[in-house]
Amino acid sequence: AQSVTQPDIHITVSEGASLELRCNYSYGATPYLFWYVQSPGQGLQLLLKYFSGDTLVQGIKGFEAEFKRSQSSFNLRKPSVHWSDAAEYFCAVGLSYNTDKLIFGTGTRLQVFP
Amino acid sequence: GAGVSQSPRYKVAKRGQDVALRCDPISGHVSLFWYQQALGQGPEFLTYFQNEAQLDKSGLPSDRFFAERPEGSVSTLKIQRTQQEDSAVYLCASSSLKLDRSQYFGPGTRLTVL
Repeated sequence: AQSVTQPDIHITVSEGASLELRCNYSYGATPYLFWYVQSPGQGLQLLLKYFSGDTLVQGIKGFEAEFKRSQSSFNLRKPSVHWSDAAEYFCAVGLSYNTDKLIFGTGTRLQVFP
Repeated sequence: GAGVSQSPRYKVAKRGQDVALRCDPISGHVSLFWYQQALGQGPEFLTYFQNEAQLDKSGLPSDRFFAERPEGSVSTLKIQRTQQEDSAVYLCASSSLKLDRSQYFGPGTRLTVL
């Protein structure tokens, strides 16, 4: 069955430090991959997406992610974290371009210390 | 333009009551999705509409859950005879078939069943 794994439940970084959030997926066909961010009491905001083409994708708020087919991974990165980046981050895979249904990971909570 | 809106933002129901949750998608978005997010979990797919047609309802947990989108715009998720396990945040998302098909989420409705 299709699945998304985010191995890190909780990550703490210092402001200004670099960040990498891990995401692995299990899906037989070409995946469509997304990263969303959720602040407390808020809905999900789309950070970036991969449909095809260049495997390094740029998103909003200075985030980027790299699709590695050989590792079934789509890790999210940011070179310098800001305190406002503290939130819950979700990786998701789109199962089919026609169906568009998303399968989400369980999320990684990011804490940022000054 | 305006994003996805949902109402009410918070709903408290006594066990056994019926509830109706409303979603207003982004204007012109053909696709509409409902997800359920339990505490500490990632969102889980419930159902999908393309215009007024419900093309996928595989995620609805029981026949107590019913969704409709009669005019291809506003959607209502109805839960009959609510139970405590229905307590969750219900997220609505919409997307355009003409653009990048990314899903844009509303703020959610937090349902608490006592």
